[in-house]
Amino acid sequence: EVQLVESGGGVVRPGGSLRLSCAASGFTFGDYGMSWVRQAPGKGLEWVSGINWNGGSTNYADSVKGRFTISRDNAKNSLYLQMNSLRDEDTALYHCARDGPERGNDYWGQGTLVTVSS
Amino acid sequence: EIVMTQSPATLSVSPGERATLSCRASQNIRSNLAWHQKRPGQAPRLLIYGASTRATGIPARFSGSGSGTEFTLTISSLQSEDFAVYYCQQYNNWPPWTFGQGTKVEMK
Repeated sequence: EVQLVESGGGVVRPGGSLRLSCAASGFTFGDYGMSWVRQAPGKGLEWVSGINWNGGSTNYADSVKGRFTISRDNAKNSLYLQMNSLRDEDTALYHCARDGPERGNDYWGQGTLVTVSS
Repeated sequence: EIVMTQSPATLSVSPGERATLSCRASQNIRSNLAWHQKRPGQAPRLLIYGASTRATGIPARFSGSGSGTEFTLTISSLQSEDFAVYYCQQYNNWPPWTFGQGTKVEMK
C-alpha cells in the first residue's frame, strides 16, 4: 500500500524558516517524481514545487521561487521542502504527492499544517 | 500557465441523485486531465485520469468524459461519502500541473 506521511509543520513568525519532510513507503520511491501541493484556509489546491526521480530537475511556483527548496533522499525514501522567508500567505496545509505515470498526482499524504503568524 | 476553470462553485444534490461537474482548460490539454476528491481532514484521492479512466478502487458511479478544453465528471447516484470538494487537474504542461478552484458537492 502506498503511504505518504508529512511532518515538520508548525507555527512560525513571518521571515522564519521551516523544513517539511515526507516519508514514502509501499512503492519504489526512486522511480517517481514527487510534488508539494498546498491548500490555504478556505482556498483550493495550489501546486508549490516538483522534483524528478533523481533530483536532477526541480521546479517552483512563482509565489515561492527563491524562497523554497525541494530535495529528496532516495536512500531514505524521503522528500523535503525547505521553506525560508516565510510570509503570512504561506499559511496552508502542505501535502506531498506522487507524480503518477500519465495521470497527474496519483497518491497524496494527509498533509502537515504550516501557520505563519506574528 | 494553463488556467483551469470549474463550474459550478457549489452543487446542491440529494442522496441518490446525479451530479454533473464541469472543468474547462484555457488551452488544449488533449486528455491529460485528472479529477481528485477532497474530504475535510483527509488526503486528496485520485478518482479519474486520462479524462475518463477510473483509478484503482474507484466505484463505477464515478465517470469522466471530454477532451481538448471541456471536461465533465459525473457521479451517477450520490452516496453520503461523496459529499466533498472535487478538483480537476491538468498534467499536459509541466510545470506546473494546475488545478481548478474546486466544486463543492453538498447535500440538498
